[in-house]
Amino acid sequence: AQSVTQLGSHVSVSEGALVLLRCNYSSSVPPYLFWYVQYPNQGLQLLLKYTSAATLVKGINGFEAEFKKSETSFHLTKPSAHMSDAAEYFCAVRVDRGSTLGRLYFGRGTQLTVWP
Amino acid sequence: GAVVSQHPSRVICKSGTSVKIECRSLDFQATTMFWYRQFPKQSLMLMATSNEGSKATYEQGVEKDKFLINHASLTLSTLTVTSAHPEDSSFYICSARRDGNSPLHFGNGTRLTVT
Repeated sequence: AQSVTQLGSHVSVSEGALVLLRCNYSSSVPPYLFWYVQYPNQGLQLLLKYTSAATLVKGINGFEAEFKKSETSFHLTKPSAHMSDAAEYFCAVRVDRGSTLGRLYFGRGTQLTVWP
Repeated sequence: GAVVSQHPSRVICKSGTSVKIECRSLDFQATTMFWYRQFPKQSLMLMATSNEGSKATYEQGVEKDKFLINHASLTLSTLTVTSAHPEDSSFYICSARRDGNSPLHFGNGTRLTVT
């Protein structure tokens, strides 16, 4: 079975501070992993994805994530938070790898608040 | 870039009526579309996987007769909430991909309120 656990439903940082959003996964097969961002009343936008290439993945808006198999983690980081980063962030794992049915299973989400 | 359009963005309906939500891929042909439901302050729950020309595959616990999914063409999938009740009020999001190796693109969601 596959699952995603996001530690911390809310994270608050000051503008300019480091952002760290935690994600741990469980998968019976090597996973594809994703981070998405959601702004209020909108769909999801892909930040970055891990697809078994480089373990350190760089995404949009200065975000990056590192796949650590030994820790089954895929934490999202950004060196310096910006006010516009305030949003809901979802970690997701993909199963059915290689098939046409790439189901994504999402974590519960982490609401990021950025204080001025 | 690829865009997925979802319509309507908001809908209010009375209990007992049915509501149809459309998901369209605007500049690519989507062999697979997914429907998600999101409760307030919670994650997206996969409801079903929709493949063009075949029956949708529903996740465990999702009522097929309640949430009718039709993927009649490579650019359109619809979700019909039948005999809606207040507990069906939620945010419904669709996503679409061209094929198994293509990225997944999300619609902007539909806020359904059943009174």
